[in-house]
Amino acid sequence: LAKTTQPISMDSYEGQEVNITCSHNNIATNDYITWYQQFPSQGPRFIIQGYKTKVTNEVASLFIPADRKSSTLSLPRVSLSDTAVYYCLVGASRGYNKLIFGAGTRLAVHP
Amino acid sequence: EAQVTQNPRYLITVTGKKLTVTCSQNMNHEYMSWYRQDPGLGLRQIYYSMNVEVTDKGDVPEGYKVSRKEKRNFPLILESPSPNQTSLYFCASSSGQGIDSGNTIYFGEGSWLTVV
Repeated sequence: LAKTTQPISMDSYEGQEVNITCSHNNIATNDYITWYQQFPSQGPRFIIQGYKTKVTNEVASLFIPADRKSSTLSLPRVSLSDTAVYYCLVGASRGYNKLIFGAGTRLAVHP
Repeated sequence: EAQVTQNPRYLITVTGKKLTVTCSQNMNHEYMSWYRQDPGLGLRQIYYSMNVEVTDKGDVPEGYKVSRKEKRNFPLILESPSPNQTSLYFCASSSGQGIDSGNTIYFGEGSWLTVV
């Protein structure tokens, strides 16, 4: 299973774009990259998923370079309500049982 | 609406008193799992189930039991709770094996358990 590395924490201000990068050097050919968001005392919530290049939905964009060894979650114009922990997950294509959530990135958005 | 429902949401119990945390999903998912979340340790998987009557250990199964008699339900059982099982517990379900395309994992709202 590909191990992921993310920054422990980030700070931003309302209205700014936030980019959170995740490293996954050992990503396997069949692995997808998925990001989850977790608010305090709530279960993680799916944000976005991708395999390569760029994926965009109403919440975020996900940029994946050609070598797929990293990915960047981009949150446009963040607000105070985007303050949360963001998890990058890779793989589990052959192992739901081995799904691993790391410590995630704690994003704090300030007024 | 897609939901994973856990009960109780909050519970304070005493050491050794058996308790069950129920989990139910309304999405006809095959895969269900339990996690615990502790400060500084992230989410750790306790048990998972790939289908009815099929369960297996996750990373931290000691002190827990599970059963999967029906597709929609996956209760977590603490036969003899101890203080080190004080934690925030999440139940999750997914339609597929893993997080490949389309297999979003849905989490419950969490259950705060305190064992004194």
